[in-house]
Amino acid sequence: ELKVEQNPLFLSMQEGKNYTIYCNYSTTSDRLYWYRQDPGKSLESLFVLLSNGAVKQEGRLMASLDTKARLSTLHITAAVHDLSATYFCLDQFYFGTGTSLTVIP
Amino acid sequence: KAGVTQTPRYLIKTRGQQVTLSCSPISGHRSVSWYQQTPGQGLQFLFEYFSETQRNKGNFPGRFSGRQFSNSRSEMNVSTLELGDSALYLCASRRQGNTGELFFGEGSRLTVL
Repeated sequence: ELKVEQNPLFLSMQEGKNYTIYCNYSTTSDRLYWYRQDPGKSLESLFVLLSNGAVKQEGRLMASLDTKARLSTLHITAAVHDLSATYFCLDQFYFGTGTSLTVIP
Repeated sequence: KAGVTQTPRYLIKTRGQQVTLSCSPISGHRSVSWYQQTPGQGLQFLFEYFSETQRNKGNFPGRFSGRQFSNSRSEMNVSTLELGDSALYLCASRRQGNTGELFFGEGSRLTVL
């Protein structure tokens, strides 16, 4: 059964702190995607990781992909309140469980 | 460039009825995927259409069906609605030969009473 697991499911962090969200997937896919969803909104594409070792950065977010370990990470640096949202990874057609991030001032 | 457009945005139905949702992809995108999002089950893949053919399918009962037209617009239909079908239905399009990135519409929120 195809599975995409994220952890943690819930993350509450203080502004200025760093943290990493993990995404484990079960297929042999060589690409992975990260999305953000704000409450009541649709999904916004954050990163497209197309090969093993791919690393992408945008502002305080950095995503990486290790296809051998079937692992992707989303690293948050010096969190700010605007990053509060739910983050999903996507493998082919299957989304992870989502990580609900709350950044506390 | 217009994004993915879904209609209707909100609708209320009663158990046993059927519903049809519509999705217009980004111009030039030939692949359309449908997802169901609920608080309990998260984002679940329904099906993907490409060039009017269902190319991939998730694990949903036959009450959930879809189709794609020659202009790439897609519809999904749910028959014999159940309370558990209440959800946000999201449509996404992608341009083949590109990164495979999915672009999502705003969704259709279905409430079944």
